[in-house]
Amino acid sequence: DTGVSQDPRHKITKRGQNVTFRCDPISEHNRLYWYRQTLGQGPEFLTYFQNEAQLEKSRLLSDRFSAERPKGSFSTLEIQRTEQGDSAMYLCASSLGPELFFGSGTQLSVL
Amino acid sequence: LAKTTQPISMDSYEGQEVNITCSHNNIATNDYITWYQQFPSQGPRFIIQGYKTKVTNEVASLFIPADRKSSTLSLPRVSLSDTAVYYCPLLDSWGKLQFGAGTQVVVTP
Repeated sequence: DTGVSQDPRHKITKRGQNVTFRCDPISEHNRLYWYRQTLGQGPEFLTYFQNEAQLEKSRLLSDRFSAERPKGSFSTLEIQRTEQGDSAMYLCASSLGPELFFGSGTQLSVL
Repeated sequence: LAKTTQPISMDSYEGQEVNITCSHNNIATNDYITWYQQFPSQGPRFIIQGYKTKVTNEVASLFIPADRKSSTLSLPRVSLSDTAVYYCPLLDSWGKLQFGAGTQVVVTP
């Protein structure tokens, strides 16, 4: 499969725990994006990378959130000390041109 | 950042044409207008993109007036499988999409 892959698809955690999500973009794509989506809303931009450089972070991304893209390949998004308000679908997308290709997301539930 | 506004929902019957209008009054000069489709438990999927005038592909048409403050996505002869949420995010010069709340389109037999 040559699409964007995200792992895990679902994550249930307790408040205060740390979680990490992984995104594998389409192999030749140099840009990688993270978005967050809550029920009934459109995706909200969190951050994006061009190759291994993180070029922009949204104000939504508090200090508890960190993203990396070592070697410009896969990316990880870590949330420390999770809160109930972090419950959402976390979407990853990659691109080489103007069209973004999204993965199916990781659904996070914080209890 | 520019904000987009769309109707919350639209209903249609199979075989009809569906037109969804998006308002983006504060669109920047370098922004492109894009439309994405999203099914439940999936990420959005690209439909079409334009800067001005009309663009057509095998799936849809996109109409953009000269002032670029709005755009209309036209889906010809919809089927049940076109039931989805449709978004009109603006694409900025950094390749970043800014989504609004989207339009839920429901197609019934």
